[in-house]
Amino acid sequence: GDSVTQMEGPVTLSEEAFLTINCTYTATGYPSLFWYVQYPGEGLQLLLKATKADDKGSNKGFEATYRKETTSFHLEKGSVQVSDSAVYFCALNYNQGGKLIFGQGTELSVKP
Amino acid sequence: DTGVSQNPRHKITKRGQNVTFRCDPISEHNRLYWYRQTLGQGPEFLTYFQNEAQLEKSRLLSDRFSAERPKGSFSTLEIQRTEQGDSAMYLCASSWTSGRPSTYNEQFFGPGTRLTVL
Repeated sequence: GDSVTQMEGPVTLSEEAFLTINCTYTATGYPSLFWYVQYPGEGLQLLLKATKADDKGSNKGFEATYRKETTSFHLEKGSVQVSDSAVYFCALNYNQGGKLIFGQGTELSVKP
Repeated sequence: DTGVSQNPRHKITKRGQNVTFRCDPISEHNRLYWYRQTLGQGPEFLTYFQNEAQLEKSRLLSDRFSAERPKGSFSTLEIQRTEQGDSAMYLCASSWTSGRPSTYNEQFFGPGTRLTVL
């Protein structure tokens, strides 16, 4: 079946460091891919999305490119801030609005 | 309306008791989803509705779980004869689906109901 695998956390970085959080997926079809973020004490929020191969999603300085050949959707940011500390979830779905299938989440902690 | 709301935010119950959670979606949204999240894991899909129709239910969902959305607005999730393994965060999300395949319909999540079964 379909699944999403993320790199294990926690990831601890200093402010202004470069961030990569790896995400790979297994899918029977052609899903849309997402990154969701959960800040401490808050609900899940959509961070960015890509709906087809080679699409790049971007938001708030974060980027991820839908790579069909490597079945990956790695999240990157050039310079992290303390306020980026959160748990990040990679996810996929089909049919533009069906159920989301999530990875296990990666906790990011950014130190000043 | 500022988003998806869920009540209660926390529920502690004893094993064997029944519990019911409520979700109020964003008012114009026609789809409503339930997920379950345990510590250190991502949310796991349980079921979803379009208006009042339950369109999909996870095969992993025990018969002790039932969800309703009687008038296509709020939804309830009931767990009967709770077990300690039911302890988790229960998340609700909603979205608007126009039916057009070219549009993506973002799911907006509520804050969740944390269930503890003693």
